[in-house]
Amino acid sequence: AQSVTQPDIHITVSEGASLELRCNYSYGATPYLFWYVQSPGQGLQLLLKYFSGDTLVQGIKGFEAEFKRSQSSFNLRKPSVHWSDAAEYFCAVVLNTDKLIFGTGTRLQVFP
Amino acid sequence: DGGITQSPKYLFRKEGQNVTLSCEQNLNHDAMYWYRQDPGQGLRLIYYSQIVNDFQKGDIAEGYSVSREKKESFPLTVTSAQKNPTAFYLCASSSQGFGYTFGSGTRLTVV
Repeated sequence: AQSVTQPDIHITVSEGASLELRCNYSYGATPYLFWYVQSPGQGLQLLLKYFSGDTLVQGIKGFEAEFKRSQSSFNLRKPSVHWSDAAEYFCAVVLNTDKLIFGTGTRLQVFP
Repeated sequence: DGGITQSPKYLFRKEGQNVTLSCEQNLNHDAMYWYRQDPGQGLRLIYYSQIVNDFQKGDIAEGYSVSREKKESFPLTVTSAQKNPTAFYLCASSSQGFGYTFGSGTRLTVV
């Protein structure tokens, strides 16, 4: 079955530390890949997306993600986390059906 | 500015009552979507529509209904058949699957 997996439900980091949020997908072909961020009670904001080409994608707010075909992964990274990055992060994919399928999310907590 | 407007922001439903959530977009996007969000379950697709007057069921369509009479509008009705409707509902639109825009959501609570 087609699926998106975010294995970490909750991650806690100190402000200024590096961050990596994991995302794996299960599809026969390479889908379009997205990372979204959600603050409590709000909608989703797009951080970055990958369709093709360079496998290292730069996004907003200093985030980047790397697509690794061999691992079916699209992990999100940030070299130095700020307290304002505390939120929930969702990985999502689109295959040829044009439906956006989400992972279950990773909640990020940042300590000062 | 272009975007998606969801209303109301908060909605309360009595047992056995139907309620309708509004979603309007002025982005000229062809496709529109409704998602339900529950803690720890991410976002699950309820219904989607790729063109006017046509829509398809998503993964959790039971107890919900939609219409797509205009390109700009995709209202979601939560019927009395939906036994656990308390959740956060998000509407989205897209242009050919490349760019998705989300509304700010409606929180529905059964009282």
